[in-house]
Amino acid sequence: DIQMTQSPSTLSASVGDRVTITCRASQSISSWLAWYQQKPGRAPKLLIYEASSLESGVPSRFSGSGSGTEFTLTISSLQPDDFATYYCQQYDTYFKTFGQGTKVEIK
Amino acid sequence: EVQLLESGGGLVRPGGSLRLSCAASGFTFSSYAMSWVRQAPGKGLEWISSITGSGTTHYADSVKGRFIISRDNTNNTLFLQMNSLSPEDTAVYYCAKGWGSFDSWGQGTLVTVSS
Repeated sequence: DIQMTQSPSTLSASVGDRVTITCRASQSISSWLAWYQQKPGRAPKLLIYEASSLESGVPSRFSGSGSGTEFTLTISSLQPDDFATYYCQQYDTYFKTFGQGTKVEIK
Repeated sequence: EVQLLESGGGLVRPGGSLRLSCAASGFTFSSYAMSWVRQAPGKGLEWISSITGSGTTHYADSVKGRFIISRDNTNNTLFLQMNSLSPEDTAVYYCAKGWGSFDSWGQGTLVTVSS
């Protein structure tokens, strides 16, 4: 199986900060990568698919980049609603795998 | 508006079975692959199974041979039959729309495996 490793595991930031989360795949997955946001007690929400395509309705402060084995999710200006846990997920193979998550906390 | 509503979770003894359902609405169900993703308490997300609109299935190694995914395209419902359950299967189970990325999710149903 393809392993997905996110860094950092926890990130402390302030409203207005630019935030970047990294996701690395154990082998090349082309651009078959998605990013999700999850808040406590809630289902995940798709933010980005195919590494850089913004899901409909998602604010433009969210962006994704990368290909192959290294990917990033960037929040250009952190808003109060953005404090949550973020997961990357690869779908290059039938056997989808998620990163372990990055919790974005209030500094 | 896409809606996915899971049901069927609960408390089950180790070795027992449970069948989860996911009622779908707001889209042409038969045209889309569907998946199950679970989340153990305080842990991350784990994909466990997917099924295409025509019925092709795939499973994670952790559930292969014990869980069966199926669908009823007439009644717009996704199922997950879970057998030989162990405490490690304790989790919130989400149904999700999609094969690669998952663009809509249900609210989840909690399965607790405990004696």
